[in-house]
Amino acid sequence: DTGVSQDPRHKITKRGQNVTFRCDPISEHNRLYWYRQTLGQGPEFLTYFQNEAQLEKSRLLSDRFSAERPKGSFSTLEIQRTEQGDSAMYLCASSLDSMWETQYFGPGTRLLVL
Amino acid sequence: SQQGEEDPQALSIQEGENATMNCSYKTSINNLQWYRQNSGRGLVHLILIRSNEREKHSGRLRVTLDTSKKSSSLLITASRAADTASYFCATRGLIQGAQKLVFGQGTRLTINP
Repeated sequence: DTGVSQDPRHKITKRGQNVTFRCDPISEHNRLYWYRQTLGQGPEFLTYFQNEAQLEKSRLLSDRFSAERPKGSFSTLEIQRTEQGDSAMYLCASSLDSMWETQYFGPGTRLLVL
Repeated sequence: SQQGEEDPQALSIQEGENATMNCSYKTSINNLQWYRQNSGRGLVHLILIRSNEREKHSGRLRVTLDTSKKSSSLLITASRAADTASYFCATRGLIQGAQKLVFGQGTRLTINP
C-alpha cells in the first residue's frame, strides 16, 4: 500500500491556460474526493466519486472545473482558462465505503497561476 | 464554506507541555475527525470520534466531543518538537449520502525546544 499519490506536486501556469491534475487513490478504495485549500485555511470540498460515478459537486466547482474517474481507479481534475484566484493546493483523498470511513489524503498539487 | 471555528488560531508552547485545541461546528454530525498537516504537505488522519462517543484516546492524543455544545477538543500531552504542525477538525454530516468532510480553519501549533 503506497498511499494516495498526486501528480504533479507543483504547477506554475499563466492565466488563461488549462491545467490537469491526476490522483491515484489507495487501490481498494472506491471513494475519491477532491478538496481545495488556500493559504491559512482548511480544505474545502470540491467533488466526490463513488467508483466511476460523480455523486456530489460543490458550488465552488465552476464550469471551468471538470473531474473524471473513468474506470473507478485514478481521477483527473482539469481547470480550464485558469484565473489567479485558482491558485491553491488541490488535495485528493480516498476511502472505503463505510459509515465511519477515514479519508486518506495525498500530498497535494500546489497550483500557482501567474 | 467552513463548518466552524477553531480556537486558538495559533498556539506556541514549550516542549513537554500539553497542548489543547478547540473546535466548534454548526450542524448535527455523524462523526468528527482530527487531522494534522505539516507545512506544505497533505493531511494525516489522527483520530475519529463518533457522535455517540464523548471521549477517545490514541497514544498521546485525547479527544472529547460535546454534541450539545457542538464542540470538540484535542489534547496532545507531553508535546514534542515533531508535533509542530497545523491541526484541523473535520465533521461529517448526518444527512444520508453526505460523505464530504467539512473542515475548520485550523490551529497552527508550534512546539519550542
